[in-house]
Amino acid sequence: QSVLTQPPSVSAAPGQKVTISCSGSSSNIGNNYVAWYQQLPGTAPKLLIYDNNKRPSGIPDRFSGSKSGTSATLGITGLQTGDEGDYYCGTWDSSLSAGIFGGGTKLIVL
Amino acid sequence: QVQLQESGPGLVEPSETLSLTCTVSFGSISSYYWSWIRQPAGKGLEWIGHIYVSGSANYNPSLKSRVTMSVDASRNEVSLKLSHVTAADTAVYYCARVYSVSGVSHSWFDPWGQGILVTVSS
Repeated sequence: QSVLTQPPSVSAAPGQKVTISCSGSSSNIGNNYVAWYQQLPGTAPKLLIYDNNKRPSGIPDRFSGSKSGTSATLGITGLQTGDEGDYYCGTWDSSLSAGIFGGGTKLIVL
Repeated sequence: QVQLQESGPGLVEPSETLSLTCTVSFGSISSYYWSWIRQPAGKGLEWIGHIYVSGSANYNPSLKSRVTMSVDASRNEVSLKLSHVTAADTAVYYCARVYSVSGVSHSWFDPWGQGILVTVSS
């Protein structure tokens, strides 16, 4: 069981919008920065969002991140079939002194 | 652009030690933390630990007794050793650079290596 809680799956039609939640506690999300990673089938994870809401160079503005209290959210607009894959939130847990990830959310573009 | 490549045996016998190397290309190993992360087939990501170029390391409490990481700055390599492995250690192992602004509590993993599948079996 992961320290960070994500929904197992989300789905929407092409062109639509989805959000993926990541719930934690004061020892992790509440006091540290959140990153999001995209893992397309058969590939390594790739940084999508860092510092709660910043996009690395090359990541389209269809992807956005936000954080409020002990939860974070990834938003994806204008869904494309190429967005299908797994999405993970990650942060540092100050109590565990360890890096932690959510259990991952499978995005299905219908 | 920095690239990471994991290497090592793809098959390890139970109770033996898993040994992997991460080679960093097109960038310096200095001034960064380097992390190992693993992913069992069909499952999520698990942080194994990280190490700074100085040799200072921090490990996942659940694996701490079995993990050792090291850095060879002259070869631009980061290594992972996991002892007394069992079938539960079968996974794809990734190395990743830890990009930190003000310590590990303000950091993220970028880039990642392509990963290496390690199977524990006799």
